[in-house]
Amino acid sequence: ETGVTQTPRHLVMGMTNKKSLKCEQHLGHNAMYWYKQSAKKPLELMFVYNFKEQTENNSVPSRFSPECPNSSHLFLHLHTLQPEDSALYLCASSQGDERGEKTDTQYFGPGTRLTVL
Amino acid sequence: ILNVEQSPQSLHVQEGDSTNFTCSFPSSNFYALHWYRWETAKSPEALFVMTLNGDEKKKGRISATLNTKEGYSYLYIKGSQPEDSATYLCASRTNFGNEKLTFGTGTRLTIIP
Repeated sequence: ETGVTQTPRHLVMGMTNKKSLKCEQHLGHNAMYWYKQSAKKPLELMFVYNFKEQTENNSVPSRFSPECPNSSHLFLHLHTLQPEDSALYLCASSQGDERGEKTDTQYFGPGTRLTVL
Repeated sequence: ILNVEQSPQSLHVQEGDSTNFTCSFPSSNFYALHWYRWETAKSPEALFVMTLNGDEKKKGRISATLNTKEGYSYLYIKGSQPEDSATYLCASRTNFGNEKLTFGTGTRLTIIP
């Protein structure tokens, strides 16, 4: 148990649906991340929030929309996705600080397995 | 090397044997190297963070070494047990001032009882 939870664990959606993925961390961290893992590819960073501010958007299409209402919660809103967006979406958190400590360990949730039909 | 590469992609090891695998990463602008252990249907679990050339870290039967000049890290498992079966990921971070970790595709280790 890493202290990072994700819901739902599995999601099947059509291309016209709107859905949201939720991540919650119970570690008192200030930085949160969304990653995507497609089959046989490495984990790919999508978004970073540090102290609720988005500090990284790794050229992610606008059909993925992140939201970070507070430092404990992170959402990924999904809208008009494509079948190639089917993947495992992982959330992570780290201590972070305003100086951007770069050796911080990231703690991961178990992921949401998304299938787009 | 431009990306993080891990080898082998998969490995089967007899219970009780020792094993090791490799992570190669860009040596320029290096800042830190992370190792994670990822069991199926669970969360990736942090094993080590290493920053200094020649660093060696140990956690029980698992240890790791780091060579930042040539851009590689080895992960060693001594006396493999069935619970060691997992995918082992490495990720490097540069000193460009952001939080980005670049991951390899992992080494999938299966321990044969």
